[in-house]
Amino acid sequence: EVQLVESGGGVVQPGGSLRLSCAASGFNFRIYAMNWVRQAPGMGLEWLSGMSGSGSTVITSYADSVKGRFTISRDNSHNTLYLQMNSLRAEDTAVYYCARDEGWLQGFDYWGQGTLLTVSS
Amino acid sequence: QSALTQPASVSGSPRQSITISCTGTSSDVGAYNYVSWYQQHPGKAPRLMIYDVTYRPSGVSNRFSGSKSANTASLTISGLQAEDEADYYCSSYTTSGTVVFGGGTKLTVL
Repeated sequence: EVQLVESGGGVVQPGGSLRLSCAASGFNFRIYAMNWVRQAPGMGLEWLSGMSGSGSTVITSYADSVKGRFTISRDNSHNTLYLQMNSLRAEDTAVYYCARDEGWLQGFDYWGQGTLLTVSS
Repeated sequence: QSALTQPASVSGSPRQSITISCTGTSSDVGAYNYVSWYQQHPGKAPRLMIYDVTYRPSGVSNRFSGSKSANTASLTISGLQAEDEADYYCSSYTTSGTVVFGGGTKLTVL
């Protein structure tokens, strides 16, 4: 059974940093592209970043809203996806989901339960 | 990248059919056949219902179907059931190599 479990959320002050983790199991993690998507309270979904699976060249992509502040990475030996978030703002408050990719940014077929980040002083 | 445009809400009675539209541009919906649709019940994670415009993942009812014409994609749900009441989001791959979501549509089953 495919499982994705996010962790690392919490309360952070504006300007602070945090790293989210997504532990994957039940599938060959290394070959799949993975993504981060967030949802602010009462709002819609926002794609943040994607990272390709193993291959000769690793591809990453970011939404303009987080480019330069957030960094996606993965540890295939530990089946874990990460999102390093810096210079956090109040508008980054959201539930953060990791999601497995059908291909490369073509559709997200499995999602975690999400982890809540609150940016507040 | 601007969000794709979806109606804020749609409604239908049980056993009826409804269609949700998702309008983008020639830089996203119109550029590729990489439109997906997600269903989200309150407090739950999204669930993939349609990918690559028309394909259903295993386990998704054939009452759900997708289509696309030019810059507008559509999700049709036939034979509406109470459990279909949820928020629905479209998404598309873009020519910038990113993904953009629609604003979401709340489906009410009357």
